[in-house]
Amino acid sequence: EVQLVQSGAEVKEPGESLKISCKGSGYSFISYWIGWVRQMPGKGLEWMGIIYPGDSGTRYSPSFQGQVTISADKSITTAYLQWSSLKASDTAMYYCARPIMARGLISKIDYWGQGTRVTVSS
Amino acid sequence: QSALTQPPSASGSPGQSVTISCTGTSSDDSGYNFVSWYQHHPGKAPKLIIYEVSRRPSGVPDRFSGSKSGNTASLTVSGLQAEDEADYYCNSYAGSNNLGVFGGGTKLTVL
Repeated sequence: EVQLVQSGAEVKEPGESLKISCKGSGYSFISYWIGWVRQMPGKGLEWMGIIYPGDSGTRYSPSFQGQVTISADKSITTAYLQWSSLKASDTAMYYCARPIMARGLISKIDYWGQGTRVTVSS
Repeated sequence: QSALTQPPSASGSPGQSVTISCTGTSSDDSGYNFVSWYQHHPGKAPKLIIYEVSRRPSGVPDRFSGSKSGNTASLTVSGLQAEDEADYYCNSYAGSNNLGVFGGGTKLTVL
């Protein structure tokens, strides 16, 4: 059974760093892209970026390029989303998700993690 | 502002059908039919219900169907049930963002 299990909720202050995780199991972790989707309070879903654990290749949405870092450790089948300096506007629910690619584009997202709530407040 | 436009809300009574639109997808002649739909119950992980415009993953009831005409994709939920009450998001690729974009979401209420 494919599972994406995310790390727990985080409460941080502005300016702090943070790294949240998503552990994949039940499939060949290095053979599928995995990525992160943001949902701000009361808002819709937004793709942040994806990574291919097989070669660590990454693709970011323009809005998130340079704002976050997506990485993966294939030895422990875990993907990460990292901030170096959090802002209050980073307060959101973050989902990891497994996109299925076709012709270089995302045809569907077939599995999702349970979400990690990040609250940034002073 | 999302590149894909959905109505913010939709509603129907149990047993009825409701259709949710998603405008701004690629036109029919582009050769790319990568429109997908997701059901999201608050507090839970989103769930894939339609992909490649009209395909249903195994386990998704055939009450859910998808279609596309021109640059507008549609999700139809037939025989509405109480458990269908959720937020629904379309997703497709759009221009400069090669990861694709989500629509703004539609809150479906079962009256």
